[in-house]
Amino acid sequence: AQKVTQAQTEISVVEKEDVTLDCVYETRDTTYYLFWYKQPPSGELVFLIRRNSFDEQNEISGRYSWNFQKSTSSFNFTITASQVVDSAVYFCALRGGYQKVTFGTGTKLQVIP
Amino acid sequence: NAGVTQTPKFQVLKTGQSMTLQCAQDMNHEYMSWYRQDPGMGLRLIHYSVGAGITDQGEVPNGYNVSRSTTEDFPLRLLSAAPSQTSVYFCASSLAPAGGNTEAFFGQGTRLTVV
Repeated sequence: AQKVTQAQTEISVVEKEDVTLDCVYETRDTTYYLFWYKQPPSGELVFLIRRNSFDEQNEISGRYSWNFQKSTSSFNFTITASQVVDSAVYFCALRGGYQKVTFGTGTKLQVIP
Repeated sequence: NAGVTQTPKFQVLKTGQSMTLQCAQDMNHEYMSWYRQDPGMGLRLIHYSVGAGITDQGEVPNGYNVSRSTTEDFPLRLLSAAPSQTSVYFCASSLAPAGGNTEAFFGQGTRLTVV
């Protein structure tokens, strides 16, 4: 069985602060894929990034960065200099064997102006 | 670019009624799936399909049926609606699942209320 844990239910930060969203996963598969999605207040799900289990390089995209560490089974997401538009629910997800995708319970981020 | 289209966007059902949530994608994706989103529980997989004619159960399949007669369409049927099925439903699709290295594209969601 595979599992994704997002222990932070809600986070509030003041605009321009940095914030890290945690994601810890469990899987027995040696090949797997990790994803982050954003769900803004409008409700749609927006893809942000994917990582496969063989690629532990960290990635930076503008103010977003991702830290993948297989040793701790974590795939954390950092927003630098947060903005009000970053306010959303963020989901971490894992695709392992049999192609099933498991989502975490989400972290609600509120950026206060 | 239509992507993944879900209909309806909103629906109210009475307990015991049946209905079908429609999902269509125009990206020629093999893999399609249905999720339900409930407060504090994230997205839970109901059913999925790896191609036309092939479906399988996800985490919470009870009370739902699916079929995949074409690559484009993946309807979700509620056989006898119950209040516990009040939720937001998302349909998703992605490229051939064998590699796994593809993200899912989601529909806009269907907000279903069962009274």
